[in-house]
Amino acid sequence: QKEVEQDPGPLSVPEGAIVSLNCTYSNSAFQYFMWYRQYSRKGPELLMYTYSSGNKEDGRFTAQVDKSSKYISLFIRDSQPSDSATYLCAMSTNTFQGAQKLVFGQGTRLTINP
Amino acid sequence: EPEVTQTPSHQVTQMGQEVILRCVPISNHLYFYWYRQILGQKVEFLVSFYNNEISEKSEIFDDQFSVERPDGSNFTLKIRSTKLEDSAMYFCASRRTSGRNTQYFGPGTRLTVL
Repeated sequence: QKEVEQDPGPLSVPEGAIVSLNCTYSNSAFQYFMWYRQYSRKGPELLMYTYSSGNKEDGRFTAQVDKSSKYISLFIRDSQPSDSATYLCAMSTNTFQGAQKLVFGQGTRLTINP
Repeated sequence: EPEVTQTPSHQVTQMGQEVILRCVPISNHLYFYWYRQILGQKVEFLVSFYNNEISEKSEIFDDQFSVERPDGSNFTLKIRSTKLEDSAMYFCASRRTSGRNTQYFGPGTRLTVL
């Protein structure tokens, strides 16, 4: 079983739709959960950061973590064409001794159609 | 807003040649990372660096790879004898504190080995 699994898509939705992106993982030691947005041939840009379980909202974006199911989600409300990008989930363990490498999902390619 | 910068944006080299990829992390950050992304694949961790030494490295990071922080601002990745399979985007990332694991990525260097 892969450590982090993410449906690569592509996912295409009309402008204004609610988008749901998700990842599953197998390592129960993961404590930090992040979503990055990556435009073509650019570096990942940090969108959302969550520690342990729960929800976090930032504008049109909501991140959810369900550690019991090993499942994380990113919701985008009122989606815009500028949201078209690849969305990467990433996670890491919580070891203060170490440098906490990020383990990434495959990325979901999202297109918002005007 | 401070950001991670990387040079060059694109490097073309012949197989067997040495390359040095350069990064300037965010100035008050303490942890530094290199990741790579082969076209169409996941972002993969290569190495982490803290307090002037390697904290962790992946299986990919073999004897052909080395990292250095030659002064207070630069962080470099050297590949001694490049192989065709080293062709990828290489991303530098940095993080400020030992707790919150928010890593900020540079725009990447696209390495093409011919």
